[in-house]
Amino acid sequence: AQSVTQLGSHVSVSEGALVLLRCNYSSSVPPYLFWYVQYPNQGLQLLLKYTSAATLVKGINGFEAEFKKSETSFHLTKPSAHMRDAAEYFCAVSEGSGSARQLTFGSGTQLTVLP
Amino acid sequence: DAGVIQSPRHEVTEMGQEVTLRCKPISGHDYLFWYRQTMMRGLELLIYFNNNVPIDDSGMPEDRFSAKMPNASFSTLKIQPSEPRDSAVYFCASRLDRGYTFGSGTRLTVV
Repeated sequence: AQSVTQLGSHVSVSEGALVLLRCNYSSSVPPYLFWYVQYPNQGLQLLLKYTSAATLVKGINGFEAEFKKSETSFHLTKPSAHMRDAAEYFCAVSEGSGSARQLTFGSGTQLTVLP
Repeated sequence: DAGVIQSPRHEVTEMGQEVTLRCKPISGHDYLFWYRQTMMRGLELLIYFNNNVPIDDSGMPEDRFSAKMPNASFSTLKIQPSEPRDSAVYFCASRLDRGYTFGSGTRLTVV
């Protein structure tokens, strides 16, 4: 069975500082991995995804994530935080044979950006 | 493309009433998912469809919940009778190949 663990339900950084949101996954087959962002009272927006191509994945808004199979990790980073990055971030894993790949989400990390 | 469209955006209902949530997936997407988001349990998959056929409804919490997809462009999630613990944000998502797209959600409050 697949699962995702996000370390740290709340992360605070200063504007301009590095953002690091941690995600570890468990999967019995090579997974697809995703990061989504949710702004207040809005739906989920895809930031980036890993689908077995390049291990360093670049997404929107300056975010990127690196798939590390040996560490079963898919941490999300951004070199310099901006106030508009304040939101909740969800890591998700998808596995399954053929096309039956439903998403399993982590519990989320609330990112606060301090001025 | 207008994306995945959910209605209503907000729903407030009294305990015991029937509630119907609606979803219009992106045209051409062959998978449709219903998720529920609560503070306590996070994002949970309730049910998903492939080509309008329900594939896995093991996440549906109780018999009070039912979902249908009568055609490729429409799905409903019904709760009858509703209870206060059903209060949550319900998301619909559709998928083609590896790309999932989520709707803006329906915030349900049962009083």
